[in-house]
Amino acid sequence: GAVVSQHPSWVICKSGTSVKIECRSLDFQATTMFWYRQFPKQSLMLMATSNEGSKATYEQGVEKDKFLINHASLTLSTLTVTSAHPEDSSFYICSARDRLAGSGTQYFGPGTRLTVL
Amino acid sequence: AQSVTQPDIHITVSEGASLELRCNYSYGATPYLFWYVQSPGQGLQLLLKYFSGDTLVQGIKGFEAEFKRSQSSFNLRKPSVHWSDAAEYFCAVGAVYNQGGKLIFGQGTELSVKP
Repeated sequence: GAVVSQHPSWVICKSGTSVKIECRSLDFQATTMFWYRQFPKQSLMLMATSNEGSKATYEQGVEKDKFLINHASLTLSTLTVTSAHPEDSSFYICSARDRLAGSGTQYFGPGTRLTVL
Repeated sequence: AQSVTQPDIHITVSEGASLELRCNYSYGATPYLFWYVQSPGQGLQLLLKYFSGDTLVQGIKGFEAEFKRSQSSFNLRKPSVHWSDAAEYFCAVGAVYNQGGKLIFGQGTELSVKP
């Protein structure tokens, strides 16, 4: 149980284009999902908290107009990197909190490797 | 300030040897504590978690961790390491009373296993 998927697993795009990454909780409902960014050999940096049916809460320093987050259902959140540039290249990981399990346990997706040329 | 410290960036142990990964935290509220493992290019897998009760927590893959409130520590242990345990390990702390469900992660400890 508690499986989170991400799609795509990797993507290469040209500078200036937009890329959408999907995060799905497969066997549980997630009122809250989180988006992280991870640079090589570093820890996870929380970008934003996504709550179903409401606007995402962004961490300080994260551009909300560049990283658009939508959490339209209890099992799906999307992150759109708009007008991507090479500095946006990174490993993006989502997590989902099982609303029934409570207690803050987050289950993580396998990550999406974004490369912007 | 809330923080999680994993003092060891990289640890190498021989296969079959015991392992202890250190984690110290600074947190204003009663914490939830987690250990996650990440293989290269993969997401994070939950190894174990502590919310309350018995301070010695058993997890998957033969791992255990002990919560020591007096030392603000939550060290991860395994009595006999397998080559497949080589990975990055992250300690994380969150709030008991649901401060948005956010987790604070340590810097990670990379584990290498010698044959």
